[in-house]
Amino acid sequence: EADIYQTPRYLVIGTGKKITLECSQTMGHDKMYWYQQDPGMELHLIHYSYGVNSTEKGDLSSESTVSRIRTEHFPLTLESARPSHTSQYLCASSENIPSGRFSYNEQFFGPGTRLTVL
Amino acid sequence: KNQVEQSPQSLIILEGKNCTLQCNYTVSPFSNLRWYKQDTGRGPVSLTIMTFSENTKSNGRYTATLDADTKQSSLHITASQLSDSASYICVVTDRGSTLGRLYFGRGTQLTVWP
Repeated sequence: EADIYQTPRYLVIGTGKKITLECSQTMGHDKMYWYQQDPGMELHLIHYSYGVNSTEKGDLSSESTVSRIRTEHFPLTLESARPSHTSQYLCASSENIPSGRFSYNEQFFGPGTRLTVL
Repeated sequence: KNQVEQSPQSLIILEGKNCTLQCNYTVSPFSNLRWYKQDTGRGPVSLTIMTFSENTKSNGRYTATLDADTKQSSLHITASQLSDSASYICVVTDRGSTLGRLYFGRGTQLTVWP
C-alpha cells in the first residue's frame, strides 16, 4: 500500500467558496501530480511538480492552483469553486524503478477527493 | 495524437469465469505499458508493467500481454472473484518525456456476479 494520503475524501460545498485539497506522501518522492477524473472517463493531468518550488500546468486546463513548499506536501486550491469543478481529484507521487537495462517511472496514487460543488 | 483505447467499455461475468480486456495504443515513442485496477472511489493501483521487450507478465490471477508491433495489449483475469469488480485501466508511458508522462485509457468496468 502506497503512503500517499488525501483529505478530505469527500467534499460538498457551495458555489464561490475557496477550497484546498490536501495531498501528502511519506515516501520522499520528488515528483508529484494532480489528476482530474470524471465518471467513466480517463484521468487528465492538471498539475505536476518536479520537486520543492517547482509547479507546472498539465495537459488539461484547470482553474486550480498548486504549491510545493515541502517535498511531502502538494496541496491544490480552488479560489472560487463552481459546479463545473465537480469531479474526482487524484494525487500521485512517483519514483524511478530500475528494470533490467531500463528504468521506469512508477506512480503511486492517493485515494482521491470526490468534490461536489452545488 | 497519443491515444489509448480500451474495449469493452464494460463487462459482466459470473464468478469463477475468465475474461480478457483489450487495449490499443498509438503512444510513441513507447516506453512501457501498465494495467491498473481502480476500485470505485479509490485511486488506481498498479497490477503489471511491461517494457517493449516484454510480451507477457503475470501477477497472480492477472496476466498481461503486449505486442509492441501491433501496439496492442490484453489483460486476462483467471477464475474471477467478486473482489475483481473494478475499473481496469490501460496506461502507456512515452519515452520522450523526462516527466514520465502517462496516457490513460478510459478503462473497462468489470462487474463480477455471484
